[in-house]
Amino acid sequence: AQTVTQSQPEMSVQEAETVTLSCTYDTSESDYYLFWYKQPPSRQMILVIRQEAYKQQNATENRFSVNFQKAAKSFSLKISDSQLGDAAMYFCAYRANTNAGKSTFGDGTTLTVKP
Amino acid sequence: KAGVTQTPRYLIKTRGQQVTLSCSPISGHRSVSWYQQTPGQGLQFLFEYFSETQRNKGNFPGRFSGRQFSNSRSEMNVSTLELGDSALYLCASSLIPGKDRYTFGSGTRLTVV
Repeated sequence: AQTVTQSQPEMSVQEAETVTLSCTYDTSESDYYLFWYKQPPSRQMILVIRQEAYKQQNATENRFSVNFQKAAKSFSLKISDSQLGDAAMYFCAYRANTNAGKSTFGDGTTLTVKP
Repeated sequence: KAGVTQTPRYLIKTRGQQVTLSCSPISGHRSVSWYQQTPGQGLQFLFEYFSETQRNKGNFPGRFSGRQFSNSRSEMNVSTLELGDSALYLCASSLIPGKDRYTFGSGTRLTVV
């Protein structure tokens, strides 16, 4: 079974600084997607960034980038120039293309941004 | 365009009752997935529907059921509610299952007393 592990229940960062959130996963599949979602107090899960497993190049979306290490099954999220609005719960998620509608989520990391 | 709409936003039910939650996907989206989010268990997959057919189901008891209508709107039903069913229920939609990205709604907060 696929599992996703986020080892950091809480992280904090100073405004304008950089923070990295960790995620590891376990799978025997070769074709899959990895995601980082942000869940603010409004409860809506917002897609931050996604990575296709067959792409070696790390995905980037403005201030958000990932470090995807396929062999190590590691998928960390780097947030640069942190802003107060980045404060939220962040979830790492995995989705196999053979099981397309189902995503497996980690337990989340609560990110606090200090002014 | 409008996002994924879940109704109601909040719900309080008594043990033993049944409840129906609704999810209207983004216009044109045909795939809907449901998740249960609790502090203890995190986010767990309930089921996925595409073109009115259940394609995938998570490890939940038979008290949890769902369906999808021809307009892609989906409902999930929980019968004989238990205290442990208290959770945030999230749905997500996409054009088709697979490589397309899923968009989540804001969820329905169910409290069972």
